[in-house]
Amino acid sequence: DQQVKQNSPSLSVQEGRISILNCDYTNSMFDYFLWYKKYPAEGPTFLISISSIKDKNEDGRFTVFLNKSAKHLSLHIVPSQPGDSAVYFCAATSGRFGNEKLTFGTGTRLTIIP
Amino acid sequence: GAVVSQHPSWVICKSGTSVKIECRSLDFQATTMFWYRQFPKQSLMLMATSNEGSKATYEQGVEKDKFLINHASLTLSTLTVTSAHPEDSSFYICSARVPLAGINEKLFFGSGTQLSVL
Repeated sequence: DQQVKQNSPSLSVQEGRISILNCDYTNSMFDYFLWYKKYPAEGPTFLISISSIKDKNEDGRFTVFLNKSAKHLSLHIVPSQPGDSAVYFCAATSGRFGNEKLTFGTGTRLTIIP
Repeated sequence: GAVVSQHPSWVICKSGTSVKIECRSLDFQATTMFWYRQFPKQSLMLMATSNEGSKATYEQGVEKDKFLINHASLTLSTLTVTSAHPEDSSFYICSARVPLAGINEKLFFGSGTQLSVL
């Protein structure tokens, strides 16, 4: 039972354009969401997060949007840069679980075309 | 940020042998570490929570006798896959939580271990 879904396994975007990565979840108990970025041969690193009390969180070129009614979140990267090429994982958790049990999506491989 | 070292990065073993994977927090003490597994085209799945000085907590469906976790010090947790079989071939990755941090931004991951069982 995949509670966090990233339906696009890969995405290619021209440098300078906007990259939009999508994530859907099914568990209504999730109230905290995170995006991780993973380069080859490295572990995932935290990128940005959002609490369910917000619908938007911005950090530089990265913005995460949360639509609770649709159980959908998205990560926007603008402008996209070659260094953004990586696999992006969406993850979700709940304060009720102690904020430690992350449920991950399958990841989206983003390729930025120079 | 904090550094978590995991090794080996890849290992090939014969069916029936045991494999040990180490996860070390290099610049902080980790009272809690997590072990995940990822099969091809699937998501990272939490296997167990490793607590220093106590028994690990396993997720439902994970065999504790097959996946032995030891967290004997504040900087080292090990995962031993006992009597490995081809179906155990997977990507294993650990993460460690910086103490006293209550938010998930304080989770740091190792680089993972690709296990192939022949």
